[in-house]
Amino acid sequence: DADVTQTPRNRITKTGKRIMLECSQTKGHDRMYWYRQDPGLGLQLIYYSFDVKDINKGEISDGYSVSRQAQAKFSLSLESAIPNQTALYFCATSGSAGGPDTQYFGPGTRLTVL
Amino acid sequence: TQLLEQSPQFLSIQEGENLTVYCNSSSVFSSLQWYRQEPGEGPVLLVTVVTGGEVKKLKRLTFQFGDARKDSSLHITAAQPGDTGLYLCAGARDYKLSFGAGTTVTVRA
Repeated sequence: DADVTQTPRNRITKTGKRIMLECSQTKGHDRMYWYRQDPGLGLQLIYYSFDVKDINKGEISDGYSVSRQAQAKFSLSLESAIPNQTALYFCATSGSAGGPDTQYFGPGTRLTVL
Repeated sequence: TQLLEQSPQFLSIQEGENLTVYCNSSSVFSSLQWYRQEPGEGPVLLVTVVTGGEVKKLKRLTFQFGDARKDSSLHITAAQPGDTGLYLCAGARDYKLSFGAGTTVTVRA
């Protein structure tokens, strides 16, 4: 079984709809991250959390919110989706084992906003 | 603006040739990582380099971290079609990663 899972894997929605992307991990890591990937731009950090009570904005947090429901779960919400939020979204985790900076990525969610 | 500049953006070579991808920044990082990403999947870690001047070899892949810990390179010897993919460098500071835009490598059989 995958250590980092994301649901859904694909989602098509309309402008103005509220969307939630979910991430779960079985690695026992404290740190979790949400990124978006656009062609030619690499991965950009949206939000990150270093433990259950810690939430921090990344480079591009406008239009997004997150919830850390438990050590293993970190959700990303788009309150009112817009077309330029069409992108690949990745969740990642990191912990002490394997190196403190090493991040393990989920398989991604492809989101299309029409 | 991208904190890490990767070059080239695209690279297409014949099987058996060598290639080098560069990752440059004006910022100092605690470590630098290289990831490889296949279509439809998340990035997978190839290597982490931590010490300035460090060289790591992973079979046909050689990774180098600059002396000042601001830049890095990835060299592939005798590339194979299985090396095709998107290569991403990422600099680490304060448990966060800043990514380069990526280099798409295509190795033709």
